Amino acid sequence: AQTIHQWPVAEIKAVGSPLSLGCTIKGKSSPNLYWYWQATGGTLQQLFYSITVGQVESVVQLNLSASRPKDDQFILSTEKLLLSHSGFYLCAWSPPTGYEQYFGPGTRLTVL
Amino acid sequence: GQQVQQSPASLVLQEGENAELQCSFSISTNQVQWFYQRPGGRLIGLSYIPGMKPTGKQTSSTVTKGRHSSLTISSSQTTDSGTYFCVLPPNQGGSAKLIFGEGTKLTVSS
Repeated sequence: AQTIHQWPVAEIKAVGSPLSLGCTIKGKSSPNLYWYWQATGGTLQQLFYSITVGQVESVVQLNLSASRPKDDQFILSTEKLLLSHSGFYLCAWSPPTGYEQYFGPGTRLTVL
Repeated sequence: GQQVQQSPASLVLQEGENAELQCSFSISTNQVQWFYQRPGGRLIGLSYIPGMKPTGKQTSSTVTKGRHSSLTISSSQTTDSGTYFCVLPPNQGGSAKLIFGEGTKLTVSS
């Protein structure tokens, strides 16, 4: 069975500090990977997607970047956090040939 | 681009009542996915494309036709409270942007 993990579970960071969020998918080869951001009480905004190692496409920038260093790993990062980065970050995967989304548990980020 | 509208924005039920949530979109598709999210929680898939076994709640069902999809929650329970999203696949043409609706906030009281 496929499992998806995100780390950390929650993070409190200062404005201007760097950030790195991770996502790992086990039990699935060559998944499509996605990063989403959700403001409190809001809908989900797709940030990035990746169909293969080393390739990441940006959907909405939000002064964030993403990388896929391994087939099963997706990283979201920034060098300088903004207050507007606060929210809930979700990683998801889909089969290589489809768009059905399977979400991780999410990381709650608070920027102060 | 593809637009998605969900209705109602919020809904309050008494336990045991049924609910029908609506999702309308600008381009016809049958690959609509519905999700359930408890406050601050994980998104649980409720259904996907026709023919695939739905996950999550067994007392929910979806019907998608043309530019409209509906999610029916039968015999609601307090644990069904949360926000329900519909999601559309990317448009044709190489984009991989999925489109989420704004969600329907459901409150089920005992």
